[in-house]
This record gives sequence, C-alpha cells and structure tokens, in this order.
Amino acid sequence: GENVEQHPSTLSVQEGDSAVIKCTYSDSASNYFPWYKQELGKGPQLIIDIRSNVGEKKDQRIAVTLNKTAKHFSLHITETQPEDSAVYFCAASLYNTDKLIFGTGTRLQVFP
Amino acid sequence: NAGVTQTPKFQVLKTGQSMTLQCAQDMNHEYMSWYRQDPGMGLRLIHYSVGAGITDQGEVPNGYNVSRSTTEDFPLRLLSAAPSQTSVYFCASSSDRALNYGYTFGSGTRLTVV
Repeated sequence: GENVEQHPSTLSVQEGDSAVIKCTYSDSASNYFPWYKQELGKGPQLIIDIRSNVGEKKDQRIAVTLNKTAKHFSLHITETQPEDSAVYFCAASLYNTDKLIFGTGTRLQVFP
Repeated sequence: NAGVTQTPKFQVLKTGQSMTLQCAQDMNHEYMSWYRQDPGMGLRLIHYSVGAGITDQGEVPNGYNVSRSTTEDFPLRLLSAAPSQTSVYFCASSSDRALNYGYTFGSGTRLTVV
C-alpha cells in the first residue's frame, strides 16, 4: 500500500521568510496530492492540491510542486505570516480509489 | 450549512467500556471516513464508506466497527475500549469518490481511555 513520508517534523521561520515542506510517496500509481492545514483545536482544512498531470500549482502565497520521477512533492509558502503557524499535512491517493494516506505532519511556527 | 458534525467533543472511558462516536454531514456527500490522530503519526485511516450500506477497512481498523445506514451518518463504535485507543478522532466527508475535491473534516473527538 501507499506510504507517505513528510519532513521536517518542525519548522521555524521569521515572518516574511519562505517555508518549504517536503513529502515522498511510495506508490508510483498515486496521482492526487493534497495539502491540509490544521490549526490548534480544529480539524484539517484543504489548502491546495495537485494532480499528477501537473508539475506545479500556485494559489497566492502558496505553491505545490510535484516530481513524479522522484516521487516527491513539496509545499512552498512565501512571505510567511504569523497566521500561517499551524500543522501541515501532505497526503497521497490513487485516482478513483477510496483511500487518502497522510504524512506525519509538520508543525510550522512563524515568529514576528 | 453545518458541514461535518462530530459528537461528543471530549470523552473519558474506562478500559473495557464501549461507546459510539457520532458523525453527521449535511452536504449529501457519498464518501465518509474516520481517522485517528496521534502525536508523531499523523492521520491514520480507520474505516471508510463510499455510500450507504458500503464500508471498508483502512490502515488501522482493529478494535473499531462502523456502519452506514444513511448518507448523512457514519458512527464509529468502540466495542471494548483500550488505552491504545486514546487519540483524537476525525470524521471526514467528500462529494467525490475519487477524492477529487478533498475532504471536509469535522472538529474532532478527543478520547481518553483510562
């Protein structure tokens, strides 16, 4: 089955700097890769996703890149703000299957 | 529009007790699932359902039962609670079986088994 590894487990950045979180997946057939943000005491919330037919996707300060050959994908947050502080999860699934497998999470802290 | 509603928010059980975690969604989503979240282990899939009357096991199904009698509800049952089931439980739903549009998560149930 699919296995997703996520690094780093914690990340501290200064406000305004960029943050990068990386994930690798094991199943080369996986083709849907979402990212979720979890704030304290809340459930995870989808922030961006990418499919295997796309190499990069951007949404304002957030971008995701996918390298299918290397089986890894990354979340990039530019111009970080204190409200970006949260736990971020990557995930992977095979299109038209019913399982979404998550990474272990990255706690991002943005210091003013 | 309430989204995904989980009850209770907090629960303390004694070892061996049984209980049901409730999950309801009002978005007419076909796909629902249960995850548990433990420190350092991320979110692990327990059980999922692709529609009323259909359920299947995820990564960590042992000790949990589910049923899906309606589209709206997907309860998770612990038949005999164990300390290893201490965790935060999240229910999620999606409009698309292929998960094309991502999950909507509930706010979680924090369960402690003593």
